[in-house]
Amino acid sequence: DIQMTQSPSSLSASVGDRVSITCQASQDISNNLNWYQQKVGKAPKLLIYHASKLETGVPSRFSGSGSGTDFTFTISSLQPEDFATYYCQQHDNPLITFGQGTRLEIK
Amino acid sequence: QVELQESGPGLVKPSGTLSLTCTVSRGSITSNNWWSWVRQSPGKGLEWIGEIYHTGTGSANYNPSLKSRVTISVDKSQNQFSLKVTSVTAADTAVYYCARARTMEGGAFDIWGQGTVVAVSS
Repeated sequence: DIQMTQSPSSLSASVGDRVSITCQASQDISNNLNWYQQKVGKAPKLLIYHASKLETGVPSRFSGSGSGTDFTFTISSLQPEDFATYYCQQHDNPLITFGQGTRLEIK
Repeated sequence: QVELQESGPGLVKPSGTLSLTCTVSRGSITSNNWWSWVRQSPGKGLEWIGEIYHTGTGSANYNPSLKSRVTISVDKSQNQFSLKVTSVTAADTAVYYCARARTMEGGAFDIWGQGTVVAVSS
């Protein structure tokens, strides 16, 4: 099974800050890596697919990069509505795994 | 826009079987997508349970940690897919989500149901 190591597990930041989250796969997954945002009591929302492609309707302050085993998710300028939990997810056919999540909190 | 809605009992007794259904509306379950179940235990992260393609049970994949207890099936006539988990324990208490994965785009889950809470308790 492919394991996903996401870090940090929590992060405190201020509105306007640039923040990054990393996800490392235990083996090469090419660009089969997606990023989600989840707010309390809500279903996850897809932000980035194929490692770097922005989902339709998602603000351009969100971005993703990487391939192979190392991936990065970045928010260029934090907005109040961005404080949530973020997850990476790999899809190396046929199995799927999520990272442990990063809780982004207001400093 | 396709919508997903989970339904099923909110309470299951230990050692019993958890059964949930996801209804696909404003779209067809026979589209070129995989249909998944994902769960989230209280205060924990997301756990993928398994997925199915509309061609049926021969096209299902499961999380190895749950495979012995899980069955996912599809009912094309009802535009639904279903989840069964046998021999449940308190560890199966969670919010259960159904989700659509885009086949051609890295299996990204682009549409999710709102989630349904299932508690395992006597």
